[in-house]
Amino acid sequence: GNSVTQMEGPVTLSEEAFLTINCTYTATGYPSLFWYVQYPGEGLQLLLKATKADDKGSNKGFEATYRKETTSFHLEKGSVQVSDSAVYFCAFKAETSGSRLTFGEGTQLTVNP
Amino acid sequence: GAVVSQHPSRVICKSGTSVKIECRSLDFQATTMFWYRQFPKQSLMLMATSNEGSKATYEQGVEKDKFLINHASLTLSTLTVTSAHPEDSSFYICSAGATLLSTDTQYFGPGTRLTVL
Repeated sequence: GNSVTQMEGPVTLSEEAFLTINCTYTATGYPSLFWYVQYPGEGLQLLLKATKADDKGSNKGFEATYRKETTSFHLEKGSVQVSDSAVYFCAFKAETSGSRLTFGEGTQLTVNP
Repeated sequence: GAVVSQHPSRVICKSGTSVKIECRSLDFQATTMFWYRQFPKQSLMLMATSNEGSKATYEQGVEKDKFLINHASLTLSTLTVTSAHPEDSSFYICSAGATLLSTDTQYFGPGTRLTVL
């Protein structure tokens, strides 16, 4: 069935370090892929998305490329900041699921000054 | 744009009482709303999907008589936790999808922290 596998956390980095959070999915067809971020005490916010193969989503210095051949959508940022500390969720929407999203388990990121 | 609000943000209630949580789309019409439950340090669990004017579709294992969902208008959905018990304590999050804005994007509310004593 459809599923998302996300890199386990927690991840702790120093400010200005390079970030990668891995995400792979299992789905038929061509799902849309998303990264959501949840800051402490808040709801989820859409960080970026990609709707077809080879698309690159980007926002706030974060990037992720839709790789159909590896069924992956890894999140990257070249230089993290303390304010990036949050939980990051990978998600996808299958072609036949309407607006329904399937979420990964979430990865806690802590960035230290 | 595409703001979703939830009320209340926090609620504490006694065991056996019912609690209603509201989810509103403030600047768009939400044809579909979703209700999630999030346990500490875990992912979101979809509880149900509601379409305006029709009965909600509940996920397997979610008691529809305990978690009553009403989507009476294109901007409002409510979740009522009936006869709440301590094990119902959780973070409840709604989201809204809007066909006119995007078929791919859900907009999430800030969540409601429910504590049942």
